[in-house]
Amino acid sequence: DQQVKQNSPSLSVQEGRISILNCDYTNSMFDYFLWYKKYPAEGPTFLISISSIKDKNEDGRFTVFLNKSAKHLSLHIVPSQPGDSAVYFCAAKETGAGSYQLTFGKGTKLSVIP
Amino acid sequence: NAGVTQTPKFQVLKTGQSMTLQCAQDMNHNSMYWYRQDPGMGLRLIYYSASEGTTDKGEVPNGYNVSRLNKREFSLRLESAAPSQTSVYFCASSGTGTAAYEQYFGPGTRLTVT
Repeated sequence: DQQVKQNSPSLSVQEGRISILNCDYTNSMFDYFLWYKKYPAEGPTFLISISSIKDKNEDGRFTVFLNKSAKHLSLHIVPSQPGDSAVYFCAAKETGAGSYQLTFGKGTKLSVIP
Repeated sequence: NAGVTQTPKFQVLKTGQSMTLQCAQDMNHNSMYWYRQDPGMGLRLIYYSASEGTTDKGEVPNGYNVSRLNKREFSLRLESAAPSQTSVYFCASSGTGTAAYEQYFGPGTRLTVT
């Protein structure tokens, strides 16, 4: 049973436009959410995170929004750049989970078209 | 500062062979993790080590063993490889406090079992 769902396997966006990547979760015990970015043949790299006590976190061109009532979060990239083309994973941590275990979604492949 | 390093980068095994994947981190992190990523899947946790001297099972531990050799090193062993273990394996580490949720990943080991 998938607890973190990224329902769009892929997304194409024009350079300069906004990219919106979505993530839904089912576990009410998740209290911290992260986005990772992965280029081919490399390991994932941490991008941005948000605690469940917040509804928005911003870091430069990247903003994550959290809607707890809908169990939904989204990553906004503005403006999108060709270097943003990668697979983006949503991840979540459960309250009280030992050693900060993360549950990952299946990823969304973002292609930014020049 | 190399971050998280993994060896080997690629490996081909025959069914029934054994091997050990090596991981080391130089960030003085307490926690370390082993994940596998299969096509179309997110990262799934195999084993983790909250601190030196402790290890715990993750989501998919069957067929694997781990050793936390010291604070820097965390190895993953396949005792009798099976084709179902063909995957890309990632090692990760994390620090303490809020930063503990932000895991740093190595470049991965691509394993094929024939």
